[in-house]
Amino acid sequence: GQNIDQPTEMTATEGAIVQINCTYQTSGFNGLFWYQQHAGEAPTFLSYNVLDGLEEKGRFSSFLSRSKGYSYLLLKELQMKDSASYLCAVMGSWGKFQFGAGTQVVVTP
Amino acid sequence: DTAVSQTPKYLVTQMGNDKSIKCEQNLGHDTMYWYKQDSKKFLKIMFSYNNKELIINETVPNRFSPKSPDKAHLNLHINSLELGDSAVYFCASSQVHDGSSSYNEQFFGPGTRLTVL
Repeated sequence: GQNIDQPTEMTATEGAIVQINCTYQTSGFNGLFWYQQHAGEAPTFLSYNVLDGLEEKGRFSSFLSRSKGYSYLLLKELQMKDSASYLCAVMGSWGKFQFGAGTQVVVTP
Repeated sequence: DTAVSQTPKYLVTQMGNDKSIKCEQNLGHDTMYWYKQDSKKFLKIMFSYNNKELIINETVPNRFSPKSPDKAHLNLHINSLELGDSAVYFCASSQVHDGSSSYNEQFFGPGTRLTVL
């Protein structure tokens, strides 16, 4: 079976840094994805990790440790528009995607 | 141009009715998916098709029947709608569906909000 855990909600102030953790247990591993979903909208792709280490993309970075079944998404210089749900998704065997329940990030002024 | 489109955007219907949701992608992708996102925002895969062939069929009631007339289209037909079917249904597509590759990145449609009364 597959299991993906991430915190339900995090709050941070504008300009700050927030780290969203994701732990997973899956049948097979073909990569970990992070998506952003604003209320009432579709998820949009943020990052992909398949090898251990840090991937940096502007204000967003994502880290993976396959041996620990652990990833995090780092959001720097938070802006109000970053208020959204962040979904951790693992691609396991047979192309099967499993999403976490999402972490609601609330950015306050 | 919209990459992944779904119709309708909103669907309100009575219990027991049969309804369909259509999805089209113009990205030239080989793989398409249907997801259900419930009120708790949990996104769960229902079906996946690769080049018109069913490759993933999760534990979904057989009232739900996907159909892929070609690799650019994946429709979802739901028979005998129940209250618990109320959710947002997302269609998605990806260039490939296996292996370790960022080409597995999924592009989502805008969603169809289904409300069963």
